[in-house]
Amino acid sequence: NAGVTQTPKFQVLKTGQSMTLQCAQDMNHEYMSWYRQDPGMGLRLIHYSVGAGITDQGEVPNGYNVSRSTTEDFPLRLLSAAPSQTSVYFCASSYSTLLVGDNSPLHFGNGTRLTVT
Amino acid sequence: AQSVTQLGSHVSVSEGALVLLRCNYSSSVPPYLFWYVQYPNQGLQLLLKYTSAATLVKGINGFEAEFKKSETSFHLTKPSAHMRDAAEYFCAVSDKGVTGGGNKLTFGTGTQLKVEL
Repeated sequence: NAGVTQTPKFQVLKTGQSMTLQCAQDMNHEYMSWYRQDPGMGLRLIHYSVGAGITDQGEVPNGYNVSRSTTEDFPLRLLSAAPSQTSVYFCASSYSTLLVGDNSPLHFGNGTRLTVT
Repeated sequence: AQSVTQLGSHVSVSEGALVLLRCNYSSSVPPYLFWYVQYPNQGLQLLLKYTSAATLVKGINGFEAEFKKSETSFHLTKPSAHMRDAAEYFCAVSDKGVTGGGNKLTFGTGTQLKVEL
């Protein structure tokens, strides 16, 4: 099983450039989310989706867009990169608690390390 | 909003010694609580979770955690540390009680565990 796959693993951008971080899961999970990890701050939720066609903002959504056209994919877009977006980005997925009635643990990808200069 | 506090950003123990990583939560109702581990250059893996079934929760790799409502704590322990336990550990809490919020995790800032010979 591939689980949660993130691409690319590393990326360097110049300020103002745009890019899309890809995330795909093959576990038929309804719930998908994006976190960013910064030293001393843990992981902070950027955006999440409870199913195809449904997205919502997390704790730190500014500067990021998402869409969910299929169950499997949940790309994260940076429209105009800024140095403050230098971080490690993690995609995570799980079954929806609305359906399974209990908290379903998150499955994480291996991350994308992004540097904005 | 739910939150967790991890005391000590760095913990160092000798191989074979007790591991104790501290986590306190802030919640108006008993939440779902989790411990995740992150090895270098990898995503997060679930160690264990508390969902109110039992206050002492056993996880993988010999770790366990005890939910103490009176102390609002969920500390992670392991009787005997091994070199392979060196990693970063994150405590997390979910938005239990919020519609669709059961999947959303709020993470602590992490504790880096160092195991010395």
